[in-house]
Amino acid sequence: AQSVTQLGSHVSVSEGALVLLRCNYSSSVPPYLFWYVQYPNQGLQLLLKYTTGATLVKGINGFEAEFKKSETSFHLTKPSAHMSDAAEYFCAVSDRGGSSASKIIFGSGTRLSIRP
Amino acid sequence: GAVVSQHPSRVICKSGTSVKIECRSLDFQATTMFWYRQFPKQSLMLMATSNEGSKATYEQGVEKDKFLINHASLTLSTLTVTSAHPEDSSFYICSAGDFQETQYFGPGTRLLVL
Repeated sequence: AQSVTQLGSHVSVSEGALVLLRCNYSSSVPPYLFWYVQYPNQGLQLLLKYTTGATLVKGINGFEAEFKKSETSFHLTKPSAHMSDAAEYFCAVSDRGGSSASKIIFGSGTRLSIRP
Repeated sequence: GAVVSQHPSRVICKSGTSVKIECRSLDFQATTMFWYRQFPKQSLMLMATSNEGSKATYEQGVEKDKFLINHASLTLSTLTVTSAHPEDSSFYICSAGDFQETQYFGPGTRLLVL
């Protein structure tokens, strides 16, 4: 079975500071990994995904994540936080490699707050 | 990217009534769609996998007779909450993905049962 653990239910950073949201996964097969963002009362928007190949993945809005197999981690970073980054972030793993029939298992989420 | 829509975006109903929520893939065909439920300040919990032309597959603990899923075409799946009760109030989100693509999520439907 696959699972995702997000460390820290709430992260607060100052505007302009580094954003680091932590995610560790468990999977018996090579995982497909995702980060999604959710703004209040809205659905989920894909930030980035890792399938195969390059382990450093760049996404939208300046976010990136690095797949580290040895650490079973897929932490999300952004060099400089912006007020508009305040939202809920979900790390997720796919159980069958990203096909249309793959179930996605979500972490518990991390709420990111940005201090002026 | 692909677009998934949900209708309605918000619904309020009386206890005991049934509510239907539609999920559509607007610019691609989806043989499989997924239905999630999200409680306030919590993560998304997968309820069921909706398969076009066949019965849905429900996750453990989800009542299939209460949450009826129909995937009538390659672009439409519906979730019907039957005999809704206040504890069914939640945010329901669907997702769909075409082959070789990541799943795309709908904007969600807020259900409030009075």
